Amino acid sequence: DARVTQTPRHKVTEMGQEVTMRCQPILGHNTVFWYRQTMMQGLELLAYFRNRAPLDDSGMPKDRFSAEMPDATLATLKIQPSEPRDSAVYFCASGNRAFNEKLFFGSGTQLSVL
Amino acid sequence: EDKVVQSPLSLVVHEGDTVTLNCSYEVTNFRSLLWYKQEKKAPTFLFMLTSSGIEKKSGRLSSILDKKELFSILNITATQTGDSAIYLCAVASRAGKSTFGDGTTLTVKP
Repeated sequence: DARVTQTPRHKVTEMGQEVTMRCQPILGHNTVFWYRQTMMQGLELLAYFRNRAPLDDSGMPKDRFSAEMPDATLATLKIQPSEPRDSAVYFCASGNRAFNEKLFFGSGTQLSVL
Repeated sequence: EDKVVQSPLSLVVHEGDTVTLNCSYEVTNFRSLLWYKQEKKAPTFLFMLTSSGIEKKSGRLSSILDKKELFSILNITATQTGDSAIYLCAVASRAGKSTFGDGTTLTVKP
């Protein structure tokens, strides 16, 4: 049963520390999205990739966030330095644009920055 | 900037009631509108709509799109407690970007 895998599931860290979240998209999918979800702002698009190329990262605070796809099986989202306001659930989703726009979501990383 | 607005933000009903959830959008180069259900963790796909006036149906859930008025509705008939969830509307542009609304939190009481 193909699924998007995200690690870690939970992360508690202190302000100022680096946080790295990883995502393994479904094999064969060519689009990858990073979303952040909070109670206040719903699902907020941070960045997305097609065929590993970044298409839009305008939703991401550039001074502290970075997103990459070093290969087709791995996407990463880094926060350095982390701040308490970054506390949220971070979702990765993948899809295959050759078929349709349906996205498959990972289980998310629950991040708490103290 | 692409925008998706859902209403109501939250809704409490009793089992057996029928509910209608609304989604309006503004998007550059619209390609499709999608509905997702989010229970505990990850959103899961419900419907994708690309053409106006064609109803998509799955059991007690149905959805329709109006591309002229830029909105969609999701109907749930004979609601059950298992329908309690956040319902998310998203629009996909031809550039590949998927933008979500804030969701409608539905609570179905026994």
